[in-house]
Amino acid sequence: KQEVTQIPAALSVPEGENLVLNCSFTDSAIYNLQWFRQDPGKGLTSLLLIQSSQREQTSGRLNASLDKSSGRSTLYIAASQPGDSATYLCAVRDTGNQFYFGTGTSLTVIP
Amino acid sequence: DTAVSQTPKYLVTQMGNDKSIKCEQNLGHDTMYWYKQDSKKFLKIMFSYNNKELIINETVPNRFSPKSPDKAHLNLHINSLELGDSAVYFCASSPQGRATQYFGPGTRLLVL
Repeated sequence: KQEVTQIPAALSVPEGENLVLNCSFTDSAIYNLQWFRQDPGKGLTSLLLIQSSQREQTSGRLNASLDKSSGRSTLYIAASQPGDSATYLCAVRDTGNQFYFGTGTSLTVIP
Repeated sequence: DTAVSQTPKYLVTQMGNDKSIKCEQNLGHDTMYWYKQDSKKFLKIMFSYNNKELIINETVPNRFSPKSPDKAHLNLHINSLELGDSAVYFCASSPQGRATQYFGPGTRLLVL
């Protein structure tokens, strides 16, 4: 069974810093990997999606990488802002349409 | 013992029709969601709903409406279907206060 973990569980940084969130998964037979952000009481907002054949995706200040063989993905956030404060989740989709979510990283960006 | 189920699995219909997709969860979760997966496999939130609050993604046309007859069900009703509505729609649920979401198998909608 696929297991997805995220490190660190919580992160607090001053505004303007660059930061990296980590996601690891146990089964490399994935269909794709998606990074989401969740704001309190809200549903998930998709940030980036990486297909299993891709190595990275970029959107604005966000860059996500995927190393399927080692079971790792990173989300890089450049020049962090207070509005980036949220919980960040990575989710692995297997070939059978099942999504496995990580434990989440709670990010606080201090003004 | 399916956790989150959706019906139908496939739906093919004509433009202009009204259709519903049903979602049921037997996990006792408080919150349910509808997502649309676009042609690039990107998963986008449409609605989140618990027994207290409906949160709508502002980009969702008002032709789409969630209906919850009870805590275990969140159906998606679509009026006046358009070609661009063709996609896979996923239902999900989560326990209160937890981020982990359990997804249904998806409903593939094709509008002709």
